[in-house]
Amino acid sequence: KAGVTQTPRYLIKTRGQQVTLSCSPISGHRSVSWYQQTPGQGLQFLFEYFSETQRNKGNFPGRFSGRQFSNSRSEMNVSTLELGDSALYLCASSLRGDNTDTQYFGPGTRLTVL
Amino acid sequence: LAKTTQPISMDSYEGQEVNITCSHNNIATNDYITWYQQFPSQGPRFIIQGYKTKVTNEVASLFIPADRKSSTLSLPRVSLSDTAVYYCLVAPHGSSNTGKLIFGQGTTLQVKP
Repeated sequence: KAGVTQTPRYLIKTRGQQVTLSCSPISGHRSVSWYQQTPGQGLQFLFEYFSETQRNKGNFPGRFSGRQFSNSRSEMNVSTLELGDSALYLCASSLRGDNTDTQYFGPGTRLTVL
Repeated sequence: LAKTTQPISMDSYEGQEVNITCSHNNIATNDYITWYQQFPSQGPRFIIQGYKTKVTNEVASLFIPADRKSSTLSLPRVSLSDTAVYYCLVAPHGSSNTGKLIFGQGTTLQVKP
């Protein structure tokens, strides 16, 4: 069974631009969560989608948004990029999104904002 | 949600058994304990999960005492490839806080030859 895939793997943008990251979950998984990882803040939860609906959201500004499609694929968008948005963005999929479900993480997208 | 405390770093040598202890003093009745492993520039990977006593799988064992205020991840005979960050997470089963894993700072394990 194929794992979680994320595209692109690396991205370089400049301040003020916007970016869209993509995540394809494991087949059959309906929950997709997004995380931001930085050296200073560690792994932080952004949001979770299930059946095209955002069910949970972390403490990030509105510049961070996402959506999920009917095939469970998900996209994350960051508008008006800031230097502090440079990070590894990880998505994870699970069957139901229950806290005790195993989350399977993708390899991440490394975003660099110049 | 229960707060977890684990050592920031640990060193070991190849072939040794490594035990990483996580403290979670205010764990709730319906909380489960889960451990993830992360290599540099990769996403975390599930290792093991348990509720009480002992759980064992092909890569690790998880020991949870009766009071459940701590847990110990045991890695038998580590190799250089076990060098990674290990995260202890505590979360309730069936919570409405869906899809959200709360990661602490983790324990950086360095395995030396």
